[in-house]
Amino acid sequence: EAQVTQNPRYLITVTGKKLTVTCSQNMNHEYMSWYRQDPGLGLRQIYYSMNVEVTDKGDVPEGYKVSRKEKRNFPLILESPSPNQTSLYFCASSSQTGANTEAFFGQGTRLTVV
Amino acid sequence: AQKITQTQPGMFVQEKEAVTLDCTYDTSDQSYGLFWYKQPSSGEMIFLIYQGSYDEQNATEGRYSLNFQKARKSANLVISASQLGDSAMYFCAMSHTSGTYKYIFGTGTRLKVLA
Repeated sequence: EAQVTQNPRYLITVTGKKLTVTCSQNMNHEYMSWYRQDPGLGLRQIYYSMNVEVTDKGDVPEGYKVSRKEKRNFPLILESPSPNQTSLYFCASSSQTGANTEAFFGQGTRLTVV
Repeated sequence: AQKITQTQPGMFVQEKEAVTLDCTYDTSDQSYGLFWYKQPSSGEMIFLIYQGSYDEQNATEGRYSLNFQKARKSANLVISASQLGDSAMYFCAMSHTSGTYKYIFGTGTRLKVLA
């Protein structure tokens, strides 16, 4: 089954404790992206990757890091989480850029930073 | 700047009735895509329908149709014969054309279907 898998689904952590949210897709997609969803703000892009070893900032990259060492994986790293990073996070992938590109989303990761 | 606007934070509709969720967009691109996603209470994002900027006919997918009015820059979602399972948050999104991989999302409309 074609899918994007995020782990964990739920995470509660303390301020300053480094964490990684994993994302893996089995569709051989070149393009992957991370979003955060906050009430009243919709989804905002954090980082994206157009291929292995190619990443770039989205609209809200501060406090996040990413890496793309393999085509299928695109982990999101929070080196020193803060409470304002409490949010619902989505990983998405797509086979190509362009206007007609449907994005496939992971199940979401609900992160709480206390 | 590219932007998606959804002006209806919440809506109610009676079961079996049709409902229209509004979406307007702003872009200087000639080629773009418009999407609607559904987010049920469980949280996942479900793709519903797509409309390309050069498509002359409105997109349809089952009970979903996209009322695309290019001159007005609107891409409203129409759900016919609403079902209780349609209760969810709905997001309108627009894709860039090339060079980057980015979707721009609206703030969403929460739809409640009443029995």
